[in-house]
Amino acid sequence: DTGVSQNPRHKITKRGQNVTFRCDPISEHNRLYWYRQTLGQGPEFLTYFQNEAQLEKSRLLSDRFSAERPKGSFSTLEIQRTEQGDSAMYLCASSLAGYTYEKLFFGSGTQLSVL
Amino acid sequence: AQTVTQSQPEMSVQEAETVTLSCTYDTSENNYYLFWYKQPPSRQMILVIRQEAYKQQNATENRFSVNFQKAAKSFSLKISDSQLGDTAMYFCAFMKQGAQKLVFGQGTRLTINP
Repeated sequence: DTGVSQNPRHKITKRGQNVTFRCDPISEHNRLYWYRQTLGQGPEFLTYFQNEAQLEKSRLLSDRFSAERPKGSFSTLEIQRTEQGDSAMYLCASSLAGYTYEKLFFGSGTQLSVL
Repeated sequence: AQTVTQSQPEMSVQEAETVTLSCTYDTSENNYYLFWYKQPPSRQMILVIRQEAYKQQNATENRFSVNFQKAAKSFSLKISDSQLGDTAMYFCAFMKQGAQKLVFGQGTRLTINP
């Protein structure tokens, strides 16, 4: 069990550029979640997958955001035409269906800074 | 919609003291779960303790315990014999039964001083 892995750890980009983050969940976990955490706030739910199916999306996930989990393993979160308001930490978490209450594990996040 | 409120942005205590972090929440649901998460400088959210709303008994995990008051919609965390390693941001969180998303409070920054 190597934990939830997120890459890169930090990303600095210029406004208007596209960025992509990657999350590798714990290997046997079939559920994967994305959260966004802005400075001084708690994380906010963005979306979650069960296997490769994206089952829920928050209204926070504007049309500039797209998340995929093509083979039900790792996931990517892409932000197109980044804005300064996108600066935040993006957290990924994973769990086994039916055990989210008991065994939800978070990664260390990707810190995005949009200049 | 559910909301979670942590009214203490920062707290500071001496090592070995006991500290209580406050959390209130608002929901119309009857079945739900409550959590306390710790976020150290490493940024990884770590589960400290959890409570099922249907259980009247307060959850305990070693030095960590909660005071769950369902009618008052209050869920405080008590840390006994605090240690330097307890220094972190602490987040209270809510999850409706059957849902998949956590709703977090704003956090409390706890500092344990030597």
